[in-house]
Amino acid sequence: AQTVTQSQPEMSVQEAETVTLSCTYDTSESDYYLFWYKQPPSRQMILVIRQEAYKQQNATENRFSVNFQKAAKSFSLKISDSQLGDAAMYFCAYRSADFGNEKLTFGTGTRLTIIP
Amino acid sequence: EADIYQTPRYLVIGTGKKITLECSQTMGHDKMYWYQQDPGMELHLIHYSYGVNSTEKGDLSSESTVSRIRTEHFPLTLESARPSHTSQYLCASSSPETYQETQYFGPGTRLLVL
Repeated sequence: AQTVTQSQPEMSVQEAETVTLSCTYDTSESDYYLFWYKQPPSRQMILVIRQEAYKQQNATENRFSVNFQKAAKSFSLKISDSQLGDAAMYFCAYRSADFGNEKLTFGTGTRLTIIP
Repeated sequence: EADIYQTPRYLVIGTGKKITLECSQTMGHDKMYWYQQDPGMELHLIHYSYGVNSTEKGDLSSESTVSRIRTEHFPLTLESARPSHTSQYLCASSSPETYQETQYFGPGTRLLVL
């Protein structure tokens, strides 16, 4: 079974600064997908960024980028130019690429606070 | 934002009552999921469906049941609510036609059983 570990329960960053959230996972599969989801307080969970394991190039979405290290099974999220609206719980998630096994396995989350 | 809806958003109910949490999506997604999330904790999959008349139990054992009679609708039912069912319930949907079959989430239902 796959596991996802987020070792930072809470992080804080000054507005406009850069912060990196850590995520490691354990799997015996060679092909899979990784996701970062954001859950603002009392609001809907939304997708931030996603990465295909067979792609070496790190995914980027505007101010959000990942550092995907397949051999180390590490998938960290970097948020540049942090904004107040970035304050949320961030969840790292794993999904197998196997057909019929599209379930997501989530980490325990990191609560990100933005300091004005 | 994805078009997936959950009602009610908040529910306070007494022990022993039967409740149904509604989830609907207008995207035509064939796959739908229910997750349970305690405050500040990770999500655990409790049910999923890969299409009409298909339902499976997830990784976390749950006393709830689900049905999938229509593609767009995936309700979750608790026959007799107990305080241990107090949690947040999140519904999600996906389709092979969405990029990497990304799951899109509803706003959640916060359930408090007294």
